[in-house]
Amino acid sequence: EPEVTQTPSHQVTQMGQEVILRCVPISNHLYFYWYRQILGQKVEFLVSFYNNEISEKSEIFDDQFSVERPDGSNFTLKIRSTKLEDSAMYFCASSKTRDTQYFGPGTRLTVL
Amino acid sequence: SQQGEEDPQALSIQEGENATMNCSYKTSINNLQWYRQNSGRGLVHLILIRSNEREKHSGRLRVTLDTSKKSSSLLITASRAADTASYFCATDGPNDMRFGAGTRLTVKP
Repeated sequence: EPEVTQTPSHQVTQMGQEVILRCVPISNHLYFYWYRQILGQKVEFLVSFYNNEISEKSEIFDDQFSVERPDGSNFTLKIRSTKLEDSAMYFCASSKTRDTQYFGPGTRLTVL
Repeated sequence: SQQGEEDPQALSIQEGENATMNCSYKTSINNLQWYRQNSGRGLVHLILIRSNEREKHSGRLRVTLDTSKKSSSLLITASRAADTASYFCATDGPNDMRFGAGTRLTVKP
């Protein structure tokens, strides 16, 4: 069964550095999403992406963040100038329609 | 915000018992979904119920939706230790999906 994959599974970075989190959505899906989950807290929507552009973003998704679909398979989240409070699990999801979203296993980001 | 809010925050039951979790939301929705998350892992989609549906079943799962009360419930029957996880409802508005804080279910063997 196809699934969403994410790399790396764990990323450790120094405060102020830039990180790129990678996702490979399910191949025939059209909608892509990023969420984050700070340890012990709820899953928070960051951004949705459709037809090569951002369709919706939350108040969390400020200029520090950007998303890109550089080729036909990858979907990336770039976080510039990371802060301690960016430490969280970042989940990518994809969907064929706007209904059921399929989540990847997540990338744990630790900012030191 | 369209996000769902689950209740209770934590639930502990014995294997074989039924578990009921509730979700409330604030605005109109297209559909409501329940997800499960094992500790430190990704979310797994369980079931979707559309705004024009009142009840839906999937195996040991039963979901109800009351749009007049803006609430939903997830019932897991004959629970198993492997059902131990966090359960989230997510509401789907015009453009994006919002998750609640989840109910942490512990099923004791």
